[in-house]
Amino acid sequence: QVQLVQSGAEVKKPGASVKVSCKASGYTFTSYGISWVRQAPGQGLEWMGWISAYNGNTNYAQKLQGRVTMTTDTSTSTAYMELRSLRSDDTAVYYCARDAHSSGLDYWGQGTLVTVSS
Amino acid sequence: DVVMTQSPLSLPVTLGQPASISCRSSQSLVYSDGNTYLNWFQQRPGQSPRRLIYKVSNRDSGVPDRFSGSGSGTDFTLKISRVEAEDVGVYYCMQGTHWPPARTFGQGTKVEIK
Repeated sequence: QVQLVQSGAEVKKPGASVKVSCKASGYTFTSYGISWVRQAPGQGLEWMGWISAYNGNTNYAQKLQGRVTMTTDTSTSTAYMELRSLRSDDTAVYYCARDAHSSGLDYWGQGTLVTVSS
Repeated sequence: DVVMTQSPLSLPVTLGQPASISCRSSQSLVYSDGNTYLNWFQQRPGQSPRRLIYKVSNRDSGVPDRFSGSGSGTDFTLKISRVEAEDVGVYYCMQGTHWPPARTFGQGTKVEIK
């Protein structure tokens, strides 16, 4: 069965960087993309960007351009999301989701809480 | 970017009664291939989102048939025929037609039991 398992919770200081991993199993990793979505406490879902696991092409949300980098390691079927210059309003649960392109986000990871606090 | 607007934002429902959530897009979601890429997600308290519906009206595997999606163009609806206790949570619509540049979610509708 399809599974996306994310790395554990992180606590970071303002200005630092965080890198969250998402290990996929149960399907051919390079046949789908991975989208990253975040959710601030008590708020809705915010799409952050997408990466093709086939060729590494990316598409980032405009508001995060320049601060976010998404990568994949096809040898381990793992996707990564790095966010730099962290601010307090980056505190959120970060989700990875398998991106089936036209059909949307069909499987989700368990989420990773990133807390930004001095 | 396309803006997705849901209503209502809060929906108290009596167990066994129907519920309906509206989602409107700022642009038509009909793609050049003739399909309409509109998803619905359910997020139960403390859980990750789960896709319920894709391409407007197609239920995902394991989704009870009391959930149904409908609509076209810019207006879409998620209906629950008879609300059960396990349906409590927040429901989001998301468009996939105008992507890239971005996938966009509605604000979410919180379904709770009266």
